[in-house]
Amino acid sequence: SAVISQKPSRDICQRGTSLTIQCQVDSQVTMMFWYRQQPGQSLTLIATANQGSEATYESGFVIDKFPISRPNLTFSTLTVSNMSPEDSSIYLCSVEGTGVVSTDTQYFGPGTRLTVL
Amino acid sequence: EDVEQSLFLSVREGDSSVINCTYTDSSSTYLYWYKQEPGAGLQLLTYIFSNMDMKQDQRLTVLLNKKDKHLSLRIADTQTGDSAIYFCAVVGTTSGTYKYIFGTGTRLKVLA
Repeated sequence: SAVISQKPSRDICQRGTSLTIQCQVDSQVTMMFWYRQQPGQSLTLIATANQGSEATYESGFVIDKFPISRPNLTFSTLTVSNMSPEDSSIYLCSVEGTGVVSTDTQYFGPGTRLTVL
Repeated sequence: EDVEQSLFLSVREGDSSVINCTYTDSSSTYLYWYKQEPGAGLQLLTYIFSNMDMKQDQRLTVLLNKKDKHLSLRIADTQTGDSAIYFCAVVGTTSGTYKYIFGTGTRLKVLA
């Protein structure tokens, strides 16, 4: 399966600021996904990012708050804008289509742990 | 689509662990188990094809009961390194589109 890296691995930010999280894959992938995992919770899909098209956001998530870029088949960014303490979470990117299980199987990056003060 | 797991499981080192998952609907070809160690992302642990009822992979055994919509993960000879959160995941339809639906996660604590 693909090797997925994320930067930064963790950060502590002040409310009202923005943070951009990078996700890099070592092979070309069509579908990339961004998830949020709030403390003690399961994963919630924020959006799906396909190269060459606008990201598709899930209910409850909007582009103004979580703008996403997908400039090529190996890279994507998620920005958390105008942060508040409620945005404190782990943010994970995932990709599908690279492993031996099936083209639908998702593989995850190590996550970015964000704390907003 | 709703995927439920018990929140906590505590076992002694060397015992077997059984983590359960129930789901309401699934059109998934595969059903998955992921492991999340503290401070880390999700690691694909194992999976089962939807037309199987059992899959064994070293210390891991996955059981699937499609009639009852029940998935379980058995870890034999549980070690302290198995302490983590375990998520089941199915591909369900939400608002007409296919999505990964993750369970609530089971925190496994292995006592030495």
